[in-house]
This record gives sequence, C-alpha cells and structure tokens, in this order.
Amino acid sequence: NAGVMQNPRHLVRRRGQEARLRCSPMKGHSHVYWYRQLPEEGLKFMVYLQKENIIDESGMPKERFSAEFPKEGPSILRIQQVVRGDSAAYFCASSPDEAPQHFGDGTRLSIL
Amino acid sequence: AQSVSQHNHHVILSEAASLELGCNYSYGGTVNLFWYVQYPGQHLQLLLKYFSGDPLVKGIKGFEAEFIKSKFSFNLRKPSVQWSDTAEYFCAVKSKAAGNKLTFGGGTRVLVKP
Repeated sequence: NAGVMQNPRHLVRRRGQEARLRCSPMKGHSHVYWYRQLPEEGLKFMVYLQKENIIDESGMPKERFSAEFPKEGPSILRIQQVVRGDSAAYFCASSPDEAPQHFGDGTRLSIL
Repeated sequence: AQSVSQHNHHVILSEAASLELGCNYSYGGTVNLFWYVQYPGQHLQLLLKYFSGDPLVKGIKGFEAEFIKSKFSFNLRKPSVQWSDTAEYFCAVKSKAAGNKLTFGGGTRVLVKP
C-alpha cells in the first residue's frame, strides 16, 4: 500500500508564476489535509478536504491560494502569482477518517 | 482556539542519555494528542497518539508519552536515546471543536551525539 505521494518534491518558480502541488492520498483515504512549514517554524494547517468538498479552509490565505480534491485524481494546491513569502515546504496528509496520520514527503517550493 | 507549545527548541544530548520533550496545549475540551518525528530529509512519521484510556502511551522506537489532563501536558520520553534519534519532534493536538485539523507545536530539534 503506497504512502501519500506528493509531487513534485522540489518546485522552483519565479515571482508572479503559478505553482501547482499535487497530493495522492493513500488508497482508501478520503480525507486530505494540507500544511505549510516555513523555515524554522512548525507546520501550520491550511485546508482540509474530502472528495469534491472543502471542509475547512481557515488556514489558507484568502487570495492567490486554492485547493481542490476532485472525484478522480489527486488533490491540488494551487498558488497563483507566487511571491517570495510563499517559499516553504508544503505537506499533505491523508486519513481514512477524521484523524490525519499519514504524511507525504512534502513539496519544497522556492521562489526566485 | 487550540494552541500547542513546545518549550525546548533545541536539545543536544549524548547516546544513552534519557530524553524528555515538553508539550503543553491550551484547549480545555476533549482532545486527541500526537507526537510526530521528522528525520532529516524525510516526511513526518507518527510516533504515538492518545485518544482515550491509559494516559501512558507507548509508541514506536521505544518512545512513550504521558497525558496529564490537569497540566494540559503530553510530554514525550525515551529512557535511552541513540544517534539515530536525531530528528525534529512535533507535538500536535486535534479536537472536534476545532474542526479535526491538527495544530502543531513549533517543534524540537534533537541532536544525539555519538
């Protein structure tokens, strides 16, 4: 049973470009969570999704950030018009119920 | 709102020493508590969790944690560390009232000298 798969592992973008981060949850898991880890800080919750629904997006910036978890395919975290402050590691976690437990390797986003 | 504090940001100790990492949370209702470990360059792995029952929880790799409700604490312990325990350790709390998302502490970086 493959773990949570995130890609790409590393993503470099220039200011103003778009970043798309993908997360394939573990098989059978219908709950997906996205967290952001800034340098020298802990993980901060961004958004919680179930299939086709956003359950809680209280940790996600109101502008430029969006997330989806379609019926088919991975969950996508999308950042439009990236800025230097978006540089961080973005982690996805999935679970079969309401307790997130399994994390992916993360995507390290660098903004030039 | 729930919050988590890990008071030690960095811990350095020698092999075979005992380790205790502090974790305090602020939410007064029913919570689930977790400790995660992140080895250098790797993803977070669950060390142990507390949902209910015995407040002394055994985890993987010889770790344990004790939930003390009156102190809002969930400290992590290991009697004798190894060099391979060098990692960053995160305490996290979850509650239904807060929407089931994990709230993490700032992490503690542990360096075990051989």
